[in-house]
Amino acid sequence: RKEVEQDPGPFNVPEGATVAFNCTYSNSASQSFFWYRQDCRKEPKLLMSVYSSGNEDGRFTAQLNRASQYISLLIRDSKLSDSATYLCVVNAHTGGFKTIFGAGTRLFVKA
Amino acid sequence: GAGVSQTPSNKVTEKGKYVELRCDPISGHTALYWYRQSLGQGPEFLIYFQGTGAADDSGLPNDRFFAVRPEGSVSTLKIQRTERGDSAVYLCASSLAGARETQYFGPGTRLLVL
Repeated sequence: RKEVEQDPGPFNVPEGATVAFNCTYSNSASQSFFWYRQDCRKEPKLLMSVYSSGNEDGRFTAQLNRASQYISLLIRDSKLSDSATYLCVVNAHTGGFKTIFGAGTRLFVKA
Repeated sequence: GAGVSQTPSNKVTEKGKYVELRCDPISGHTALYWYRQSLGQGPEFLIYFQGTGAADDSGLPNDRFFAVRPEGSVSTLKIQRTERGDSAVYLCASSLAGARETQYFGPGTRLLVL
């Protein structure tokens, strides 16, 4: 089992749709969580951090459920410019330190 | 200000050769990370530096891979006796202080081993 698992998609949605991505992680020692966005042939860029209390940034909402070891990202009112790969990221401190990326979920928003 | 820079942007080499990939982190960032990304996959953790020392090198795939950061700023990832399976994009990231903080990525070095 992979340490961080995501639905690879692709998700094909029309403009204005709401789309949700899920991510599960296996290491209960994981301590910090993020969503990154990666455009084709570009480097990953931070979208938002994820907290147990949930956090919202405009059209984006992230949630963390530590008990279920589950992270989610909700995008409302999708724009064409949201088309990208969304990477779930977990930092685990187990002896050393590791940042684990999921394989990413591809999103295509169409007009 | 300047972001993370990596050189070269592209590197083509032959199987068995030695390569060095360079990363210049954001000025003042004490933490530096190396990742490898293959097509269709997320970045795979290789090594994390805090200052000059490797805080975790458990992601290095084998002893052909080595990384240094002698002055706590620029880092070099070194790959000996390259193999075709080493072909990937090698990404470097830095963060201000430590592991919990946002990592800022460089554009990557695309390595192709023929």
